[in-house]
Amino acid sequence: QVQLQESGPGLVKPSETLSLTCSVSGGSISSSGYYWAWIRQPPGRGLEWIGSIYHSGSTYYNPSLKRRVTISVDTSKNEFSLKLNSVAAADTAVYYCASQEYYDNDFHWFDPWGQGTLVTVSS
Amino acid sequence: DIVLTQSPDSLAVSLGERASINCKSSQSVLFNSNSKNYLTWYRQKPGQPPKVLIYWASTRAPGVPDRFSGSGSGTDFTLTISSLQAEDVATYFCQQYYSAPLTFGGGTKVEIK
Repeated sequence: QVQLQESGPGLVKPSETLSLTCSVSGGSISSSGYYWAWIRQPPGRGLEWIGSIYHSGSTYYNPSLKRRVTISVDTSKNEFSLKLNSVAAADTAVYYCASQEYYDNDFHWFDPWGQGTLVTVSS
Repeated sequence: DIVLTQSPDSLAVSLGERASINCKSSQSVLFNSNSKNYLTWYRQKPGQPPKVLIYWASTRAPGVPDRFSGSGSGTDFTLTISSLQAEDVATYFCQQYYSAPLTFGGGTKVEIK
């Protein structure tokens, strides 16, 4: 079973860039038929899909965040990363990475998920 | 964007009793060419990430107890826990993967009465 683990700073200042990495173990990030996703959850609130990336570098982003988000992949390290620019307090959330099957040109559900990492935006 | 509206926001159910959670989609998530509903259900226990319970609206994920069942088609879906157990105290989310952006329902918190 693939396992995912998020890492990165837990505190980011307003207007700066949030940077997180997701390390994948127990499987290859280059496996065909899998996208790798970022999802976030503000404290006590619901879930928001940020975007997904394939090992080739093909990406899909949520239009609500697209102008501020970059997701990249490093197959040599078996990890993928998230950068979110110009953060504000509203970006405070638990950030999850997850695996996502993709076949027949369809995204599927997210499984498994990492444990998540809380990122607080504050000066 | 497809908006998923869950109801109720929360419910309290006695141990061993049935719990039902609804998820209504702003547009159909039924793909006619394969007759599949592109909807999944997750359970999120406190302090943990979500875990898949049901996909294709009604298929239990491997290892999920058979007290969990999913039903519905098109725009209206239900997650049913036939006999609530203590470990089912959690928040439950539906999610559609019919079209991007992928979206989630607002969540339903289930507690013990």
